[in-house]
Amino acid sequence: RKEVEQDPGPFNVPEGATVAFNCTYSNSASQSFFWYRQDCRKEPKLLMSVYSSGNEDGRFTAQLNRASQYISLLIRDSKLSDSATYLCVVNSYYGQNFVFGPGTRLSVLP
Amino acid sequence: NAGVMQNPRHLVRRRGQEARLRCSPMKGHSHVYWYRQLPEEGLKFMVYLQKENIIDESGMPKERFSAEFPKEGPSILRIQQVVRGDSAAYFCASSPGTGKGNTIYFGEGSWLTVV
Repeated sequence: RKEVEQDPGPFNVPEGATVAFNCTYSNSASQSFFWYRQDCRKEPKLLMSVYSSGNEDGRFTAQLNRASQYISLLIRDSKLSDSATYLCVVNSYYGQNFVFGPGTRLSVLP
Repeated sequence: NAGVMQNPRHLVRRRGQEARLRCSPMKGHSHVYWYRQLPEEGLKFMVYLQKENIIDESGMPKERFSAEFPKEGPSILRIQQVVRGDSAAYFCASSPGTGKGNTIYFGEGSWLTVV
């Protein structure tokens, strides 16, 4: 089993839709969790950290379920500019330290 | 610019030549990571270094690839005798540490084309 897994998509949604991505991780000792966004031919950029109590940043909401070892990202009122690949990242504190999922591709359609 | 700096941004090499990619981490960051991304594929971990030490090189190909992060100067990813399959984007990232809450920041990448 891979350490961090995501549905690769693509998710094709109309503008204004709500879309959710899930990510599962295998290391129960993981402590820090993040969502990154990567545009085509660009570097990954931090979208938001994921806190145990869940957190929201505008149209984006991140949730952490430690018992089930998954992280979610909810995007409300999707914009064309949200089209990107969303990467789930887990900090494992050993080895490569920051473990990236394979990414979920989102296309928001007009 | 206080961000992660990578150079060159674009590099063209003929098969058999050497490629050297450089990365200067963000100010105050002592942890450096290298990732490779092949066209239309995900980000693949290569190596994690701290100053003068390789912490994890489990993602590095066994031959032709090496990395260093000297006490002074940038981190270097070196690819010897490049082949067409080495054509990819190579991203460097840095973090201030490994504790909870530390975040990883990426440079804009070095795009290697082997002809």
